[in-house]
Amino acid sequence: DAGVIQSPRHEVTEMGQEVTLRCKPISGHNSLFWYRQTMMRGLELLIYFNNNVPIDDSGMPEDRFSAKMPNASFSTLKIQPSEPRDSAVYFCASSPYRGRDTDTQYFGPGTRLTVL
Amino acid sequence: GDSVTQMEGPVTLSEEAFLTINCTYTATGYPSLFWYVQYPGEGLQLLLKATKADDKGSNKGFEATYRKETTSFHLEKGSVQVSDSAVYFCALRVGDYKLSFGAGTTVTVRA
Repeated sequence: DAGVIQSPRHEVTEMGQEVTLRCKPISGHNSLFWYRQTMMRGLELLIYFNNNVPIDDSGMPEDRFSAKMPNASFSTLKIQPSEPRDSAVYFCASSPYRGRDTDTQYFGPGTRLTVL
Repeated sequence: GDSVTQMEGPVTLSEEAFLTINCTYTATGYPSLFWYVQYPGEGLQLLLKATKADDKGSNKGFEATYRKETTSFHLEKGSVQVSDSAVYFCALRVGDYKLSFGAGTTVTVRA
């Protein structure tokens, strides 16, 4: 399998611009997670989808952040407007719903976002 | 709430040295425990896991034993290589899906 795919790998934008991060989970996985990683706060769960439905968005920092999962093979995380403090590495991860690895999350390579 | 505390780094070792990274947890139930590894420029990868007390997870020469009496899940490797240089994260599963990660320990192995 190709693993979790994220795009872009790097994004540099200016404050106030809209940013869209994309994720394709592993085929057959029904759980999808968005994380943010910073030096100060470590790894934070932003939102969790199960069967394309947002189950837990308590980690989304504020209304500027939104996430969608229109189908089982695609999700987006959007920041509008972006701010310098949003600079971080954003990871997408997925988990299967059957088998012995249902408790394991498979991470993508991440998107490094820099907001100037 | 449920959380993990892992030893702060950075840790610098010579090749073939013994590595141990301490991890302790606080949990109300009986969580599954994990070690993830993050190589430079990459996402996290599962290194090993244990789902119940006294289970030992192992992979690529790394081992960790789920110790309920000491609420610990220390990571060990007997002889490290330069390729083991990475950031190591201890984590526990909270409820049905949430992972609570430690702060990460940066390990550098010198040739």
